[in-house]
Amino acid sequence: IAGITQAPTSQILAAGRRMTLRCTQDMRHNAMYWYRQDLGLGLRLIHYSNTAGTTGKGEVPDGYSVSRANTDDFPLTLASAVPSQTSVYFCASSPGMEGGQETQYFGPGTRLLVL
Amino acid sequence: GQNIDQPTEMTATEGAIVQINCTYQTSGFNGLFWYQQHAGEAPTFLSYNVLDGLEEKGRFSSFLSRSKGYSYLLLKELQMKDSASYLCAVRDSNYQLIWGAGTKLIIKP
Repeated sequence: IAGITQAPTSQILAAGRRMTLRCTQDMRHNAMYWYRQDLGLGLRLIHYSNTAGTTGKGEVPDGYSVSRANTDDFPLTLASAVPSQTSVYFCASSPGMEGGQETQYFGPGTRLLVL
Repeated sequence: GQNIDQPTEMTATEGAIVQINCTYQTSGFNGLFWYQQHAGEAPTFLSYNVLDGLEEKGRFSSFLSRSKGYSYLLLKELQMKDSASYLCAVRDSNYQLIWGAGTKLIIKP
């Protein structure tokens, strides 16, 4: 593994189903993020984690949950998918050092279609 | 509210120079980032500005004026591979990134 991986690459999901998007990084970064990207809109933060064991809500958290049991993994769960959650989901990570540049590095994305 | 404005789309010619502008209104400022995103791919980091002035990195330069809430990304000697979307993002007082919708740059031969 090099950098950040996400799985699955793409998924078609029936409305009402539960789905977990996986994200793993091998850079030992403290901070991790989940974004959604929709046409014509900027990346919007769903949830974030500044360090293992802690999580926080971003701009659009409703309908999503996350956990951060260890440094490497940051799964995103849709408890009951709705069509408005159709989007491209990007996981990102940054070193998590206060006062630093804190560049975020992105995974390849998961393309989700909810029908 | 917080807002990042960029042009939706720009067209330029191979070998030329293009300037992509970004204006922002955010609650606090802790740095401005430019990312490149090719169609169907993830955003990749291009540049970071936290102080006023110009940062140069090869063919790409980024400028910041904090007093004007303004930045631009300058791309020189354009190549076809520069066809992509360019995303401007500002880190606010909570150290969260606020993203613009991106500027799609089309390069013509």
